[in-house]
Amino acid sequence: GDSVTQMEGPVTLSEEAFLTINCTYTATGYPSLFWYVQYPGEGLQLLLKATKADDKGSNKGFEATYRKETTSFHLEKGSVQVSDSAVYFCALSDRSGGGADGLTFGKGTHLIIQP
Amino acid sequence: DTGVSQNPRHKITKRGQNVTFRCDPISEHNRLYWYRQTLGQGPEFLTYFQNEAQLEKSRLLSDRFSAERPKGSFSTLEIQRTEQGDSAMYLCASSLRSRGRFVGAFFGQGTRLTVV
Repeated sequence: GDSVTQMEGPVTLSEEAFLTINCTYTATGYPSLFWYVQYPGEGLQLLLKATKADDKGSNKGFEATYRKETTSFHLEKGSVQVSDSAVYFCALSDRSGGGADGLTFGKGTHLIIQP
Repeated sequence: DTGVSQNPRHKITKRGQNVTFRCDPISEHNRLYWYRQTLGQGPEFLTYFQNEAQLEKSRLLSDRFSAERPKGSFSTLEIQRTEQGDSAMYLCASSLRSRGRFVGAFFGQGTRLTVV
């Protein structure tokens, strides 16, 4: 079945540091890929997405590129802020395999940014 | 507020009792999903509706769980004879397909269930 693996946290960085959160996936078909973010006390929010190979999703200074050859969708940001502290989830949707649009999530990576 | 709304936000119940949660999706979205999230894990897909039709159910959805979306608008998730293992955050999401491609789901804040 489909699965998503992301780096375990917590990840602790200083403000203005460069961020990478690794995400790799396995899927039977040709999935769409997503990053969701969950800020403390809030619901999941869609951060960015990519629906085909080599697409780059971007939002709020975050970027991720759909790499079919390495089955990866790593999240990056050039200079993090304290307000970026949250839990980040990588996810895929693989309807091409005949299933629904249900998302398969990774376990989440807790990011802590220190001033 | 035009986002996905879930009620109640928190529910504490005794083992063996029945509970029901409600989800109001974004009004123009035709697809509605239920997920369950336990501590330290990502959300796990339970079931989804397209309009009023329940089109897929995960094997995680035991016979004690039932979901409805009677008029293709709001949805309810009922858990009968609750067990301590049902304690989790129950998330609802909705989406609208764009040009035949899924472009992401929008989540509510969830209902946290505690079974004591």
